[in-house]
Amino acid sequence: AQSVTQLDSHVSVSEGTPVLLRCNYSSSYSPSLFWYVQHPNKGLQLLLKYTSAATLVKGINGFEAEFKKSETSFHLTKPSAHMSDAAEYFCVVSDSNYQLIWGAGTKLIIKP
Amino acid sequence: ETGVTQTPRHLVMGMTNKKSLKCEQHLGHNAMYWYKQSAKKPLELMFVYSLEERVENNSVPSRFSPECPNSSHLFLHLHTLQPEDSALYLCASSQGKNYGYTFGSGTRLTVV
Repeated sequence: AQSVTQLDSHVSVSEGTPVLLRCNYSSSYSPSLFWYVQHPNKGLQLLLKYTSAATLVKGINGFEAEFKKSETSFHLTKPSAHMSDAAEYFCVVSDSNYQLIWGAGTKLIIKP
Repeated sequence: ETGVTQTPRHLVMGMTNKKSLKCEQHLGHNAMYWYKQSAKKPLELMFVYSLEERVENNSVPSRFSPECPNSSHLFLHLHTLQPEDSALYLCASSQGKNYGYTFGSGTRLTVV
């Protein structure tokens, strides 16, 4: 069975410092992986996706994620946090027809 | 605006009411989805339509009834809801599973 684990429910960083949001997955075969962001009172926005091409994926707003098959991880990073990055981030895996498996989400808090 | 439009943005309804949520996309996507997002719970997939045919129904109670009249429109008809049905209902569309979903801003539903 497929599953997604976001290892931290909350991450707090200071503005201008690096961001790391961790995600581990389990899948019976090669998955597609996504990160979505949800700002308060807004819908979900696709940040980036991995679909078996390059393992380092660049997304919007300076975020990137690296697919590591040996570690079954797809961690999201950004070199320098901005106040506007404060939001909830979801790691998602898809390896069946239309079913997406969602992580529980990580709330990113940015301290001034 | 993401290209997926949901109306209304907010809805308050009594348990005996009948109402409908509407979703519209003009992205040329061939699949549309209804999700339920409740506080402190992972995102729950409710229904999937691919090329106007329902392909997934995740054990959703019959008080929720989806309708997909064409590839651009998706409805969720609601009747005799319960207070625990109060949540954010998100519509999404995609062009196949590997391209990620585009989400609407959601309808915040409160059942009183």
